Amino acid sequence: SAVISQKPSRDICQRGTSLTIQCQVDSQVTMMFWYRQQPGQSLTLIATANQGSEATYESGFVIDKFPISRPNLTFSTLTVSNMSPEDSSIYLCSVSSGYGYTFGSGTRLTVV
Amino acid sequence: SQELEQSPQSLIVQEGKNLTINCTSSKTLYGLYWYKQKYGEGLIFLMMLQKGGEEKSHEKITAKLDEKKQQSSLHITASQPSHAGIYLCGAAGNSGNTPLVFGKGTRLSVIA
Repeated sequence: SAVISQKPSRDICQRGTSLTIQCQVDSQVTMMFWYRQQPGQSLTLIATANQGSEATYESGFVIDKFPISRPNLTFSTLTVSNMSPEDSSIYLCSVSSGYGYTFGSGTRLTVV
Repeated sequence: SQELEQSPQSLIVQEGKNLTINCTSSKTLYGLYWYKQKYGEGLIFLMMLQKGGEEKSHEKITAKLDEKKQQSSLHITASQPSHAGIYLCGAAGNSGNTPLVFGKGTRLSVIA
């Protein structure tokens, strides 16, 4: 199955700033998925990123707040923009392959 | 859209006891994934079920998918403190390029 390297693993950021999270996959994949997990909650899908086209965002998430890049079939970034304490969450990327779904190790974001 | 209902939401069991977590889908399941998450960490893949009536086991954990493919259960035998964490079920669409939809999770505590 695919292996994902997600960075950073955690960060503490000042409100009003932005953080970019990176996911590198060891194989080419068509779709990458970005999730948010708020404290004590389950995973909520933010968007689906397809290489060469704009990401598709779920209801409640917008591109200005969570811009996503997908420059090639092995890499994607998610930026959390103009952060507020409500953005404190774990952010995870995921891919599907012939062996099922693989998740990055997550980025634990705390906004102060 | 597909929704997954997990029960119970939380569970406290004494070490050595058996327990069962249920996951019920609003639609037919094409693939049902079970993950475990230690608090604040990434997801650990447990098992994936696809066929009606399928049952898989790994160490002391057994997962089943019912014949109608709308409900799955996760059973832990002789629970240990290492089993503590959040258990999440995730449903796949009928295409490998769709993201997993997750239940709200079951928080398991194992006490001595």
